[in-house]
Amino acid sequence: GAVVSQHPSWVICKSGTSVKIECRSLDFQATTMFWYRQFPKQSLMLMATSNEGSKATYEQGVEKDKFLINHASLTLSTLTVTSAHPEDSSFYICSARDPYRGRPLVGGYTFGSGTRLTVV
Amino acid sequence: GQQLNQSPQSMFIQEGEDVSMNCTSSSIFNTWLWYKQDPGEGPVLLIALYKAGELTSNGRLTAQFGITRKDSFLNISASIPSDVGIYFCAGRNSGNTPLVFGKGTRLSVIA
Repeated sequence: GAVVSQHPSWVICKSGTSVKIECRSLDFQATTMFWYRQFPKQSLMLMATSNEGSKATYEQGVEKDKFLINHASLTLSTLTVTSAHPEDSSFYICSARDPYRGRPLVGGYTFGSGTRLTVV
Repeated sequence: GQQLNQSPQSMFIQEGEDVSMNCTSSSIFNTWLWYKQDPGEGPVLLIALYKAGELTSNGRLTAQFGITRKDSFLNISASIPSDVGIYFCAGRNSGNTPLVFGKGTRLSVIA
């Protein structure tokens, strides 16, 4: 159980175009999803927290107009990188919290398999 | 953002050796988690710790939640080639808060 599907696994796009990344919880309802960015040989850096039906909360330094997050249902959150530039090239990973897994009030955090974005 | 201090950054070991890595934090966490990440993949949960002092095993892996709630370690016994990867510690407090990650330990196993 607790499977998170992330698509696409990799994408190459031209500068100036937009790219949408999907994150789906397949067998549970995720009221909260998190989006991370990871540069080579570095740790995961939180970009934003998205709650179903409300606006995402962005971390300091993350441009909300550039990284649009939509969490329209309990099983789907999307991250759209708008007007992508080469410096946006990175590995993007989503995580979904299942409040009914693991210990009560803790829940389980499951990660997607990541999306490697290359902007040329 | 906040990050945990994880060490060592990298390790090269012989197959069959034991491995130990740890994480420390300046603040208290209520939950400590250890993940493994293979190249091009998302992190996969190895062990979750929920109580100070808790010692938990998962096969050849053993992890402990420090008494002060500011640290945790992960041990891998009798390493094998498929243990290669990056290991991350993560801390969590309460509610829908996101995980805070360590910088990772890159493990290489020489057969």
